[in-house]
Amino acid sequence: AQKITQTQPGMFVQEKEAVTLDCTYDTSDPSYGLFWYKQPSSGEMIFLIYQGSYDQQNATEGRYSLNFQKARKSANLVISASQLGDSAMYFCAMREGGETSGSRLTFGEGTQLTVNP
Amino acid sequence: GAVVSQHPSWVICKSGTSVKIECRSLDFQATTMFWYRQFPKQSLMLMATSNEGSKATYEQGVEKDKFLINHASLTLSTLTVTSAHPEDSSFYICSASWATYEQYFGPGTRLTVT
Repeated sequence: AQKITQTQPGMFVQEKEAVTLDCTYDTSDPSYGLFWYKQPSSGEMIFLIYQGSYDQQNATEGRYSLNFQKARKSANLVISASQLGDSAMYFCAMREGGETSGSRLTFGEGTQLTVNP
Repeated sequence: GAVVSQHPSWVICKSGTSVKIECRSLDFQATTMFWYRQFPKQSLMLMATSNEGSKATYEQGVEKDKFLINHASLTLSTLTVTSAHPEDSSFYICSASWATYEQYFGPGTRLTVT
């Protein structure tokens, strides 16, 4: 069964506007974490933001915030004030189990974001 | 921040030959390293997890005899693609982890088998 679902293969946003990238997940483990990564055309994976399942507050990192709705099993990424450099592929990922170094990540299919000038 | 390097960044090899990809953690000791494969316009698929000094754990469907992983030290893991075929052409990414759940990704290696 698909554990991470990103339903938007492609998204377009105007420069300086906000955009929400959707991510839903499925797990029966009470301890898990959700990540968002950005992958530009160069291929490197850039860590953006992390939300642990027990975190009470939604995670924020600069222009990135994670809208964590635990009951709905969703972890949407919100990018405020989009910039041309935000054009890239975005992946949602989940680790299950405790916060140990051996935790595997499962990735969603990704969303290609294009920021228009 | 934690830095992970990969070498080479791209490689072209002939069908039937073997190619080795190195993954190094430059400023930390990685207790666990992960190898992923990514086909064009697709997601990252975990191939195997390796812990220093022990055998790698391969994901279902990944041929362990074809994709040899060695994690000889806390800063180096290698992936050897043996008897490469054109269908092995892909983007291979490693990540390294220590102490916590965070994974630090290398820049990736683009393999083309002709």
